[in-house]
Amino acid sequence: AQTVTQSQPEMSVQEAETVTLSCTYDTSESDYYLFWYKQPPSRQMILVIRQEAYKQQNATENRFSVNFQKAAKSFSLKISDSQLGDAAMYFCAFPMGHAGGTSYGKLTFGQGTILTVHP
Amino acid sequence: DVKVTQSSRYLVKRTGEKVFLECVQDMDHENMFWYRQDPGLGLRLIYFSYDVKMKEKGDIPEGYSVSREKKERFSLILESASTNQTSMYLCASSLWDSFNGYTFGSGTRLTVV
Repeated sequence: AQTVTQSQPEMSVQEAETVTLSCTYDTSESDYYLFWYKQPPSRQMILVIRQEAYKQQNATENRFSVNFQKAAKSFSLKISDSQLGDAAMYFCAFPMGHAGGTSYGKLTFGQGTILTVHP
Repeated sequence: DVKVTQSSRYLVKRTGEKVFLECVQDMDHENMFWYRQDPGLGLRLIYFSYDVKMKEKGDIPEGYSVSREKKERFSLILESASTNQTSMYLCASSLWDSFNGYTFGSGTRLTVV
């Protein structure tokens, strides 16, 4: 079974500082992709960033970047220059099905990390 | 702007009632999903549909059923609501391989009293 683990239930950061949220996963697949989602108090889940496993370069979207370590099965999210609007729950997600099967396309989510940003 | 729309943001139902949660997407996505979100447990998959009239059980299907008669609509049905089904319900849709991730609805917070 493929699992996703977020070991930090809560994190906090000062405005303008940098914070890293951790995520580890377990899979026997060699080609896959991973996601980080943000859920603000409004509840709307928003895709933050996406990483393809075959790409060695870490994905970056403005202030958000990942540290993807395939051998270690680690996929952490770094938020630079944190802003008050970054306060949310963050989920990492990973496909649970096998390529080619009808179950392909289902994502399994971590438990979530609540990020608080202090002014 | 592409959307996944959940019909209700808040619902309060009585124990034993039959409850329908509706979800509509306008992106012509093949896949649709119902997840349940509870504190400390993350998102857990209830049911998944990869095509019209096709469905697959997720991790926690007990007490739920689904219907997908049209590609754009995926309904979650609680046949006889119980208090342990009080939760946040999230609908999502994606392309067949979820290569670009999911698009989520805004969620329905269901309270069963």
